[in-house]
Amino acid sequence: QVQLVQSGAEVKQPGASLKVSCKTSGYIFTNYYISWVRQAPGQGLEWMGWISAYNGQTDFARKVQGRVTLTTDASTSTAYLELRSLRSDDTAIYYCARVDAGIAEYWGQGTLVTVSS
Amino acid sequence: EIVLTQSPGTLSLSPGERVTLSCRASQSVSSTFFAWYQQKLGQAPRLLIYGSSSRATGIPDRFSGSGSGTDFTLTINRLEPEDFAVYYCQQYGSSPWTFGQGTRVEIK
Repeated sequence: QVQLVQSGAEVKQPGASLKVSCKTSGYIFTNYYISWVRQAPGQGLEWMGWISAYNGQTDFARKVQGRVTLTTDASTSTAYLELRSLRSDDTAIYYCARVDAGIAEYWGQGTLVTVSS
Repeated sequence: EIVLTQSPGTLSLSPGERVTLSCRASQSVSSTFFAWYQQKLGQAPRLLIYGSSSRATGIPDRFSGSGSGTDFTLTINRLEPEDFAVYYCQQYGSSPWTFGQGTRVEIK
């Protein structure tokens, strides 16, 4: 069965960098995209970007463009989200999702990231 | 950027009732690239509808989606206790992909 398992919760200081992993299984990794979505406490869903696990093509939301890097490692079927220059408003649950033609049917469990001094 | 506006913000309903949720786009969206998600407290979003009207795997037929252009609707016939949650619309046809702000369906 398709599974996406994300790395554990993190606490970061303002200005630091974050790297969240999303380890996938149960399907051919390079046949799909991975999308990243975050949710600030008590707020709605915010799309951050996607990456093709086939060729590394990416697209990002303007709000995080320039601070975010998405990568994949086909040898371990894992996707990564790196976010730099963290601010307090980056505090959120970060989700990865497997995407097929834009459709996000399978999601990770979420990673809580707290940015606080 | 396409802005999606969901209405109402909150609905208070009883089990067994029929509910219609609305999502209006700031510009036309291809119905091929429109989805609805359900999210319960403490859980990841769950895909309900894609392509504006196709149910995702395992989604009961009491959930249905419709719409085109700038107006899309999610209908839930005969609310079940497990349907009380937050519902989000999303367009994925135009970059950046965007979500609506969500509609909370709560027990009356």
